[in-house]
Amino acid sequence: RKEVEQDPGPFNVPEGATVAFNCTYSNSASQSFFWYRQDCRKEPKLLMSVYSSGNEDGRFTAQLNRASQYISLLIRDSTLSDSATYLCVVSAGTYKYIFGTGTRLKVLA
Amino acid sequence: EPEVTQTPSHQVTQMGQEVILRCVPISNHLYFYWYRQILGQKVEFLVSFYNNEISEKSEIFDDQFSVERPDGSNFTLKIRSTKLEDSAMYFCASSDVSSGRSDTQYFGPGTRLTVL
Repeated sequence: RKEVEQDPGPFNVPEGATVAFNCTYSNSASQSFFWYRQDCRKEPKLLMSVYSSGNEDGRFTAQLNRASQYISLLIRDSTLSDSATYLCVVSAGTYKYIFGTGTRLKVLA
Repeated sequence: EPEVTQTPSHQVTQMGQEVILRCVPISNHLYFYWYRQILGQKVEFLVSFYNNEISEKSEIFDDQFSVERPDGSNFTLKIRSTKLEDSAMYFCASSDVSSGRSDTQYFGPGTRLTVL
């Protein structure tokens, strides 16, 4: 099993749609979880940390399921500017982090 | 808003040459990282650095690589003898130990390294 696994997509959705991404991880000892977004040829930018109780930031909701070792990201009312690659990041030690391959999202007008 | 900066934005070198990639982390951050991303592939962890020591490193970070914080602001990655397969985007990141989530990392814009 890969350390961090994501469906590469692309997910093509119309504006205003709700879209959900999942990410699975193999290390049950992982403590920290994040979603980053990456635009083409740019640096990753933090979207949100993922907490055990789940958390929401505007149109974005993240969930963590430790028992099944996956995290999810839900984007509501998607806009054209949400088009990007969404990266799942999981800790693999105190200060070591593993990135997933990313899921590409295209929001269509 | 403070940001991580990296220089140069693009470095072209010949195989076998040494390169030094430079980063200026956010000023009150104490944890520093290097990652690389080969074109079309995922972001890969190289090394983390705290208190003038390496905290963690990956299998990629072999004897050809080294990191240094030569002064109070810069954080460098040196590749001693570059190989063609070192061609990639190299990202520096830093995180703030004083915040509630000290492992939230902020990334620089990257240095694109091309080895010919």
